[in-house]
Amino acid sequence: DAGITQSPRHKVTETGTPVTLRCHQTENHRYMYWYRQDPGHGLRLIHYSYGVKDTDKGEVSDGYSVSRSKTEDFLLTLESATSSQTSVYFCAISDPQGGYGYTFGSGTRLTVV
Amino acid sequence: AQSVTQPDIHITVSEGASLELRCNYSYGATPYLFWYVQSPGQGLQLLLKYFSGDTLVQGIKGFEAEFKRSQSSFNLRKPSVHWSDAAEYFCAVDFNQAGTALIFGKGTTLSVSS
Repeated sequence: DAGITQSPRHKVTETGTPVTLRCHQTENHRYMYWYRQDPGHGLRLIHYSYGVKDTDKGEVSDGYSVSRSKTEDFLLTLESATSSQTSVYFCAISDPQGGYGYTFGSGTRLTVV
Repeated sequence: AQSVTQPDIHITVSEGASLELRCNYSYGATPYLFWYVQSPGQGLQLLLKYFSGDTLVQGIKGFEAEFKRSQSSFNLRKPSVHWSDAAEYFCAVDFNQAGTALIFGKGTTLSVSS
């Protein structure tokens, strides 16, 4: 979707290294989310943000941290990547005032070797 | 715990046949309900959503879904499936009606046979 961009699209990293994924939106939506998608598990919420500097944990937050210093950017950091964090990561945005429609980015495929 | 169940992991339907994908959720109140579709290697696209009112909602690509409170279900239907409908379908629920976060089912993969 043109209003939300994830970077990088693909990344291979080594176990134990820190990794940061970026989500950038141009819609000025208040809420931003990070999900991971794994076969057989669907999408699981990692962290979400309901405003600048306001974040909360989701279902699978262990090993992940987030930051949101500007409305448009939501960063996901893997402090010390592990093979279990190999996944496809999706960012999403929503605007409750606009009808709760969630818009998803195209995803980042992360491989930890 | 709040949960969303899609009982069918994989469904195969003949082209032109009707389709119904099932979704059930835990919890007693009426949450906000969504169906998304994901084509291979792509992100998720919203098909339709239900917040309140008429329990039969229309979406894009000829899909519709019906909310049944008594069954805690929100099943997705299409009268005639096209080969391009082959994809993975996700039911998602906002239990708090607050836009805080969606909980997703594990998905149903639809294959379309000719």
